[in-house]
Amino acid sequence: EAQVTQNPRYLITVTGKKLTVTCSQNMNHEYMSWYRQDPGLGLRQIYYSMNVEVTDKGDVPEGYKVSRKEKRNFPLILESPSPNQTSLYFCASSFLGSWGYTFGSGTRLTVV
Amino acid sequence: AQKITQTQPGMFVQEKEAVTLDCTYDTSDQSYGLFWYKQPSSGEMIFLIYQGSYDEQNATEGRYSLNFQKARKSANLVISASQLGDSAMYFCAMRFGRGYGQNFVFGPGTRLSVLP
Repeated sequence: EAQVTQNPRYLITVTGKKLTVTCSQNMNHEYMSWYRQDPGLGLRQIYYSMNVEVTDKGDVPEGYKVSRKEKRNFPLILESPSPNQTSLYFCASSFLGSWGYTFGSGTRLTVV
Repeated sequence: AQKITQTQPGMFVQEKEAVTLDCTYDTSDQSYGLFWYKQPSSGEMIFLIYQGSYDEQNATEGRYSLNFQKARKSANLVISASQLGDSAMYFCAMRFGRGYGQNFVFGPGTRLSVLP
């Protein structure tokens, strides 16, 4: 089944403890992206990648890192999480040049 | 800059009636795609319908139709015969740049509640 898989679905952590949210797609998509969703703000893009080793900042990159060492994986790294990073996170992917976009199921992160 | 506006934070509709969720967008691009997503309380993003900027006919998918008025830059979602399971957040989104660069913007969402 074609899908974008995020893990974990739910995560509660403490301030300052490094964490990684994984994202993997099995559709050979070049383009991958991370979003965070906050009430009243919709989804805002954190980082995106147009191919292996090609990443760039979105609207709200502060406090996040990403890497794209393999085409299928695009992990989101929070080196020192803070409570203002409590949010619902989505990974998504698509082919370059395509309008279609496939979303993962979301990761609900709480930083206390 | 590209922007999506959804002016209805919340909407109520009676079961079996139709409802229109508003969406206006702002872009100087000629080529773009407009999307509607449904987000139930479980949190996942469910794709509902898509309209390309060059499509002359309004998109339809089952009970969902997109009322596309290009000159007015509006892309309203119409849900016919509402069901209790339609209660959810609905997001309007626009993709531009043909998949290159930072190219997908979302509106703030409308929470729809269907009343029995």
